[in-house]
Amino acid sequence: EIVMTQSPATLSLSPGERATLSCRASQSVSSNYLSWYQQKPGQAPRLLIYGASTRATGIPARFSGSGSGTDFTLTISSLQPEDFAVYYCQQDYNFRTFGQGTKVEIK
Amino acid sequence: EVQLVESGGGLVQPGGSLRLSCAASGFTFRTYWMSWVRQAPGKGLEWVANIKEDGSDKYYVDSVKGRFTISRDNAKNSLYLLMNSLRAEDTAVYYCAREIKLGAARPFDYWGQGTLLTVSS
Repeated sequence: EIVMTQSPATLSLSPGERATLSCRASQSVSSNYLSWYQQKPGQAPRLLIYGASTRATGIPARFSGSGSGTDFTLTISSLQPEDFAVYYCQQDYNFRTFGQGTKVEIK
Repeated sequence: EVQLVESGGGLVQPGGSLRLSCAASGFTFRTYWMSWVRQAPGKGLEWVANIKEDGSDKYYVDSVKGRFTISRDNAKNSLYLLMNSLRAEDTAVYYCAREIKLGAARPFDYWGQGTLLTVSS
């Protein structure tokens, strides 16, 4: 099983600030198979990024993804009020596993 | 508009059984892999199982192998999850999710609203 580890667990930032979320895989994952999701309380997750760096349909340009091998990053360039949520990385290189999530909260 | 609507959740005693359903609409259901993903209260996401377009291939997370069975009825645009020998640790919101084929990968591009399963005596 590929274990996905996200850091930090919680990120406390103010609107307008830059958010940098990390995701590390326990073994190399082709970047094609790395996705990021956003989940708000009481809602289903929403696909943000796939293929490590491609934004899904309708996702604003302030969201960007990067990385390869075992280390991946989700960056939100300037946090908007609606961006405060939990973010999950996920691989489907070998079955499917999610990271434990990073909560982006208002400072 | 793509819609996935889960149903069938509820309260079940340990050792009991339940079948979840997911009704799909707004897309050609028979051409997509489908998955079940769960989320225990206050916890993260866990992929549970998925099934190929025609139902010929099925995969499961180790913790549910031998207890859960995923199936689909393409004529009814429906996905199912039969859960036997339920345990307290199966308590979660269960989401139905569509897998979109993007190159070699298949991330989850649409999700239902989820149905809550509680396993408790």
